Amino acid sequence: DADVTQTPRNRITKTGKRIMLECSQTKGHDRMYWYRQDPGLGLRLIYYSFDVKDINKGEISDGYSVSRQAQAKFSLSLESAIPNQTALYFCATSVGHTTDTQYFGPGTRLTVL
Amino acid sequence: QKEVEQNSGPLSVPEGAIASLNCTYSDRVSQSFFWYRQYSGKSPELIMSIYSNGDKEDGRFTAQLNKASQYVSLLIRDSQPSDSATYLCAVNLRGFGNEKLTFGTGTRLTIIP
Repeated sequence: DADVTQTPRNRITKTGKRIMLECSQTKGHDRMYWYRQDPGLGLRLIYYSFDVKDINKGEISDGYSVSRQAQAKFSLSLESAIPNQTALYFCATSVGHTTDTQYFGPGTRLTVL
Repeated sequence: QKEVEQNSGPLSVPEGAIASLNCTYSDRVSQSFFWYRQYSGKSPELIMSIYSNGDKEDGRFTAQLNKASQYVSLLIRDSQPSDSATYLCAVNLRGFGNEKLTFGTGTRLTIIP
């Protein structure tokens, strides 16, 4: 079984709709991250969480919100989706130190029409 | 100037040759450096991490770090077609206390059989 899972894997939605992307991990890591990847722009950090009570904005948090429901679960919401939020979204986890590896989920391909 | 900069490529290398990938970063106090490999449509996976000046070898891969010149490189010896992927450089900018990685946009590597 995969250590970091994301649901859904693919989603097509319409402008203005609310959508939630979910991430679960069985690695027991405290830290979780949401990134988006766009061609030519690389991976950009949306939000990150160091534990259940700690949520931090990344470099591109506008238009997104997150919820850390438990150590193992970190959800990303788009309150009112817009076409420029079409991207590949990755969840990642790490143990708890900046020198530690980040482990990525398989990604969610989101298309906003 | 981008905080983490990579040549986007594509970089084409004959099978069996050495592939050399380069990355420069903007902040002199950065402490942690990572190379991730990403196959098309897949999630990034860690290839190498390096924290001290000099070379670090792992099988066919060698990471090189020069903090004075603010660059980190990845050498792939005896390149194989399976090495064809996009390679992402990631840097923990501004050292410990800054708990996030900043990714470059990646270099697309193609190994020619």
